[in-house]
Amino acid sequence: DGGITQSPKYLFRKEGQNVTLSCEQNLNHDAMYWYRQDPGQGLRLIYYSQIVNDFQKGDIAEGYSVSREKKESFPLTVTSAQKNPTAFYLCASTQGGVNEKLFFGSGTQLSVL
Amino acid sequence: AQTVTQSQPEMSVQEAETVTLSCTYDTSENNYYLFWYKQPPSRQMILVIRQEAYKQQNATENRFSVNFQKAAKSFSLKISDSQLGDTAMYFCAYPPSYNTDKLIFGTGTRLQVFP
Repeated sequence: DGGITQSPKYLFRKEGQNVTLSCEQNLNHDAMYWYRQDPGQGLRLIYYSQIVNDFQKGDIAEGYSVSREKKESFPLTVTSAQKNPTAFYLCASTQGGVNEKLFFGSGTQLSVL
Repeated sequence: AQTVTQSQPEMSVQEAETVTLSCTYDTSENNYYLFWYKQPPSRQMILVIRQEAYKQQNATENRFSVNFQKAAKSFSLKISDSQLGDTAMYFCAYPPSYNTDKLIFGTGTRLQVFP
C-alpha cells in the first residue's frame, strides 16, 4: 500500500545530542513537509521541500536541519540547538502543493531524557 | 498576520446526532482553499473535506459537510449521524496566500462522540 512511513514511533534525546527522524514515502510525491505539534496548538511548519536537493525553512526552522537526497526520503535532524524539542513530529507529502490533499505519516513522539 | 481560529477547544455529541465545529480565518486572498483535517487517537492526520473559496456550493463528503461563508470568513464543519469513530481532534487549515507552500492550522477542536 502507498503511504508515508515515519520512524521511530518514540524517540528520546539526551542533552546535547542530535537525533534524526526518518520519513519515507512511496507515493511518488514531489513535495514533502515536516510539522511540529505541541499540546493545545496547531501544527507548525518546520521545513518543506518541493523537489530533490532543494528545501526551504518554515516558520520554526531554528534548531532543525533536513536533507532531500532522494525523492522518497526527507529526514529531519533535531540538533542540540533546539532547546525545547519535546513534541510530536509529523511528516507529510503531496503532489500538487498545499492546495491539494496532504498525506501524513503516523508521527514520531520526541521526548527529552 | 493571517490566522485561523477554532473557538471550541472541546465538544461532545451523542452517537447519531449532528454536531458543528466552527472555524474562522483571515486572508486577503480571493481564491484559496480551506481544509478540515481529522486526527484520531492514532494521531495520523487525515483529510476530511476541502472547500474551494471561489465555489458557491458547500463541499460535502458523505456525513461531513461545510458551511462556508466567504464574506464572514467562516468555515464550519457539520458532522451528521455522528459515529464513535468520529472521536478525534479536528483541525481547520488554509494556505495564507495563493502561491504559498504552507498551511496554517488552527489549534483544533477535540470531539468526543458518546454512545
